[in-house]
Amino acid sequence: AQSVTQLDSHVSVSEGTPVLLRCNYSSSYSPSLFWYVQHPNKGLQLLLKYTSAATLVKGINGFEAEFKKSETSFHLTKPSAHMSDAAEYFCVVTLGGYQKVTFGTGTKLQVIP
Amino acid sequence: NAGVTQTPKFRILKIGQSMTLQCTQDMNHNYMYWYRQDPGMGLKLIYYSVGAGITDKGEVPNGYNVSRSTTEDFPLRLELAAPSQTSVYFCASSYSLGETGNTIYFGEGSWLTVV
Repeated sequence: AQSVTQLDSHVSVSEGTPVLLRCNYSSSYSPSLFWYVQHPNKGLQLLLKYTSAATLVKGINGFEAEFKKSETSFHLTKPSAHMSDAAEYFCVVTLGGYQKVTFGTGTKLQVIP
Repeated sequence: NAGVTQTPKFRILKIGQSMTLQCTQDMNHNYMYWYRQDPGMGLKLIYYSVGAGITDKGEVPNGYNVSRSTTEDFPLRLELAAPSQTSVYFCASSYSLGETGNTIYFGEGSWLTVV
């Protein structure tokens, strides 16, 4: 069985300050992990993915995430928030070899000017 | 290359009516999915398909039907619409299940209200 927990339903940061969105997972096998972003009234867009290569993954728009097996975490970070980063972010885990896709419940990021 | 296209974008249905949400992808993906998204609930899988002619139930299939006659198309049918089906529906596709790290590509969503 696998699961994913996004620890914060809402995160609020000031423009120009760092962003940290937390994601913990559980999986019996080596998972693939993704972060997707959803802007209001839009579909989900892939930010980045981890597939057992480098543990530090760089994505679009300056986001990155680090896979930490010992902590079963895949937190999303960005050094400096921009107003356009305001959106909902989903952490997703899939099982390699048998794709059962599990979505987190999402974290809404608010960026304050 | 349009990716995943779903229609309509918005629809209001009366209780008991039926409708079909259309979905097509031009990436030659084997796998297609229908999700619904309710506020604060993440995405729930309704149905998925591993190829033309093959479909299977997801977590929340009741009240829905699907078909997959071609690789490109995966329509979702709502029979006897109920208020509980008010939601945002996303169609998605991916290349395969066997390969790790498959990216799932999403459509723009269909906002459905049942009144």
